[in-house]
Amino acid sequence: GAVVSQHPSWVICKSGTSVKIECRSLDFQATTMFWYRQFPKQSLMLMATSNEGSKATYEQGVEKDKFLINHASLTLSTLTVTSAHPEDSSFYICSAAWVVNEQFFGPGTRLTVL
Amino acid sequence: GQQLNQSPQSMFIQEGEDVSMNCTSSSIFNTWLWYKQDPGEGPVLLIALYKAGELTSNGRLTAQFGITRKDSFLNISASIPSDVGIYFCAGQRGETSGSRLTFGEGTQLTVNP
Repeated sequence: GAVVSQHPSWVICKSGTSVKIECRSLDFQATTMFWYRQFPKQSLMLMATSNEGSKATYEQGVEKDKFLINHASLTLSTLTVTSAHPEDSSFYICSAAWVVNEQFFGPGTRLTVL
Repeated sequence: GQQLNQSPQSMFIQEGEDVSMNCTSSSIFNTWLWYKQDPGEGPVLLIALYKAGELTSNGRLTAQFGITRKDSFLNISASIPSDVGIYFCAGQRGETSGSRLTFGEGTQLTVNP
């Protein structure tokens, strides 16, 4: 149980385009979903926390207009990287949590912006 | 954002050896967690610690929640090649599902057969 999926697993896009990444909790309803970014050989850095039906809370330094988060249902959250540039290339990982205090992580999405 | 101080950054060991890594923080956490991440994958939870002083084992893994609630260590005994990966500690302050995690910098483990 407690499986989280992400789609796509990798994506390559041109600079200036927008990319949407989906995070789904497959066998439980997630009250909270988290989005992380991980650069090569670095740790996970929290970007934002989202609760179903409400606006996401962004970490300091993360542009909310660039990284749009939608958490429309208890099993789906989406992260849209708008007007992507090469410096946005990274590994994006989501996690989902429900009533228990444990986050279950997705497999990550590798974004490469050319 | 804040990160935990995790050491060592990397370890190169022979198969069969024991391994120890630790995390420290300047502030208190109510939960300490240890994760393993394989290349191109998300982190997988290894051990969760919920009480100061708690010592918990999961197979060849043992982790402890420091008495001061500002530190934790992870031991791996009799290492095997599949232990290779990056190990992260994480601290959590709250007790609800919305409580954020703060991650350490990671320990890259290499096991030579």
